[in-house]
Amino acid sequence: AQSVSQHNHHVILSEAASLELGCNYSYGGTVNLFWYVQYPGQHLQLLLKYFSGDPLVKGIKGFEAEFIKSKFSFNLRKPSVQWSDTAEYFCAVNAYSSASKIIFGSGTRLSIRP
Amino acid sequence: EAQVTQNPRYLITVTGKKLTVTCSQNMNHEYMSWYRQDPGLGLRQIYYSMNVEVTDKGDVPEGYKVSRKEKRNFPLILESPSPNQTSLYFCASSLQVNSPLHFGNGTRLTVT
Repeated sequence: AQSVSQHNHHVILSEAASLELGCNYSYGGTVNLFWYVQYPGQHLQLLLKYFSGDPLVKGIKGFEAEFIKSKFSFNLRKPSVQWSDTAEYFCAVNAYSSASKIIFGSGTRLSIRP
Repeated sequence: EAQVTQNPRYLITVTGKKLTVTCSQNMNHEYMSWYRQDPGLGLRQIYYSMNVEVTDKGDVPEGYKVSRKEKRNFPLILESPSPNQTSLYFCASSLQVNSPLHFGNGTRLTVT
């Protein structure tokens, strides 16, 4: 069965630190990949997406993610985090062969110390 | 304004009392879906709909029903709620299944 793994459940960083959140998926075919962010008390919003082309994609608020097909990974990065980045981050995968399903990871809670 | 509207935002009910959570989108999206969010489990898909009158089970459909009689509406029905359905529920829609999802503000349901 398809799955999405986010191994970091809770990450705590100081402001200006660099961020990398891991996302791995278990599907060998063509995929669409997403990162969503959920700020405290709010709904999920799209951060960035990868469909095809350049494997390094840039999203909103200075976030970027790199698709590495050989590693089945789509890690999220930000060079310098801010207190306002405190949120929960979800990786999601849509596999072409099961076109109707979008699988979410369990999420990573990011806490930024001011 | 393009949005997905869920109601109610908060709901406390008792075991066995039927309830409906409404979801409406104004973007003419074909794909709609319901998720439940539980701590440590992320978002799990309950049901989804590819278009009007086309619905299918997600990963955790037991105890839930949906309908898609109109393109804009996708209500979630709990015929006989149980305490294990206490959760935060999100409705989402997208132009197509592989397009980015637009989420509603969530419904926090407590079943006692």
